[in-house]
Amino acid sequence: DQQVKQNSPSLSVQEGRISILNCDYTNSMFDYFLWYKKYPAEGPTFLISISSIKDKNEDGRFTVFLNKSAKHLSLHIVPSQPGDSAVYFCAASEGGSNYKLTFGKGTLLTVNP
Amino acid sequence: KAGVTQTPRYLIKTRGQQVTLSCSPISGHRSVSWYQQTPGQGLQFLFEYFSETQRNKGNFPGRFSGRQFSNSRSEMNVSTLELGDSALYLCASSLPGDSYNEQFFGPGTRLTVL
Repeated sequence: DQQVKQNSPSLSVQEGRISILNCDYTNSMFDYFLWYKKYPAEGPTFLISISSIKDKNEDGRFTVFLNKSAKHLSLHIVPSQPGDSAVYFCAASEGGSNYKLTFGKGTLLTVNP
Repeated sequence: KAGVTQTPRYLIKTRGQQVTLSCSPISGHRSVSWYQQTPGQGLQFLFEYFSETQRNKGNFPGRFSGRQFSNSRSEMNVSTLELGDSALYLCASSLPGDSYNEQFFGPGTRLTVL
C-alpha cells in the first residue's frame, strides 16, 4: 500500500520554464512534507519542506504548495535550470518525534537547455 | 561542518553472509535513521535511533538490526544475506527536538549480494 505517490515517473521541461512536480498521499496522519533531490550515486539532498498548518512555502526558486483536503502537494521550480535535472522525491512524516519518512518513488526531471 | 559519512561506499557479499554498515552523523545530530533504496520498492524506512535507543522501526525482517553508540555513530547489520538485500543503504541524521526536523542524508553504501 503506497501511502505517498508520485504518479509521473518523468518530466521534461525547457530551461527557463516552470517545472511542476506532483505528489499525492493517503495517510491523514502525515503532518510534515518534504522534497528531496537526488543525483546518481549520491544521497538525497533536502530541498524544501512544509508543515500541515501551512499551504505554501517558498525558498528562492522553489515553492511547495499543500492542499490538505485533496491530500496533494506540488513542487514548483521557477525558472528551471539544467542543473535541476535529477530525481525528485516527495516524503512525508507523521511529525513529532516520529522521524520515519515515507517516500514516493520519485520523478526524474530533465531540464533541456 | 562535515556531512553524514557512510562506510564502506561499496560492498560485495555472497548469500548467507552477514554485513555491517557504518554511519557517522553530522556533528550535534543525535537522531540517525536508516533507509533501503531498491529500484522496485524505492526508499523504505528501516529504523531510527536516538540516544542509543531504537525509537521507530519499519517493516523489515529481524535479519536487519542496528545500534547507536554514545557518540551518535550508528551501525546496521544484515545477517544471512539474500539476493534481494542488494540495495543502496542510506543513513540520515537530524537534530533532536519536539517537532520534526529535516533529515540530512549520507551518500549511501551500495551492497551487492551474489
